[in-house]
Amino acid sequence: EVQLVESGGGLVKPGGSLRLSCAASGFTFSSYSLTWVRQAPGKGLEWVSFISDSSRYIYYADSVKGRFTISRDNAKNSLYLHMNSLRVEDTAVYYCARDGPFYYFDYWGQGTLVTVSS
Amino acid sequence: EIVLTQSPATLSLSPGERATLSCRASQSVSSYLGWYQQKPGQAPRLLIYDASNRATGIPARFSGSGSGTDFTLTISSLEPEDFAVYYCQQRSNWPPVTFGGGTKVEIK
Repeated sequence: EVQLVESGGGLVKPGGSLRLSCAASGFTFSSYSLTWVRQAPGKGLEWVSFISDSSRYIYYADSVKGRFTISRDNAKNSLYLHMNSLRVEDTAVYYCARDGPFYYFDYWGQGTLVTVSS
Repeated sequence: EIVLTQSPATLSLSPGERATLSCRASQSVSSYLGWYQQKPGQAPRLLIYDASNRATGIPARFSGSGSGTDFTLTISSLEPEDFAVYYCQQRSNWPPVTFGGGTKVEIK
């Protein structure tokens, strides 16, 4: 069974940093690209960042470029999102999602809540 | 950036009724459009990919159609578990991947 489990969310002050993790199981982790998607409270879905299977290709939304860094460790079946210079508007549930065979998000984690507030 | 506009924002229907949800793209996405369902407190679930293909395990009452800029998700007969928010998403011209603003299907 494919599972994605996020962790690392919490309360942080504006300007602070946080690292999110996503532990994967039930599939060949190194064969799939992965994505972070976030959802602000009561709002829609927003794509945040993408990393290809070998980490060769990495993309970011303009809203996080220069502040967030996506990475993965294929030996540990883990995906990460390093978030720096956090802003109030980064407050959201952050989901990791697998890019399926047709380049849609076929499996999602349960999400981890990041709250940026003073 | 391709903007996806979903309508209506809210659809009030009764179980057993047919639901028709619309997603319009600001420029052609060919058939590279997907639909997701999200229930409160849950992660989104992939329903439809490439405009008209049902994802694994998705019931046949869900169908998708369209190409270019205009797409439709149809639920032929609403079950109680279908009341949720639905999002469209494009992967034609990315980054960025973009989502529509969502349509909430609520019980009338």
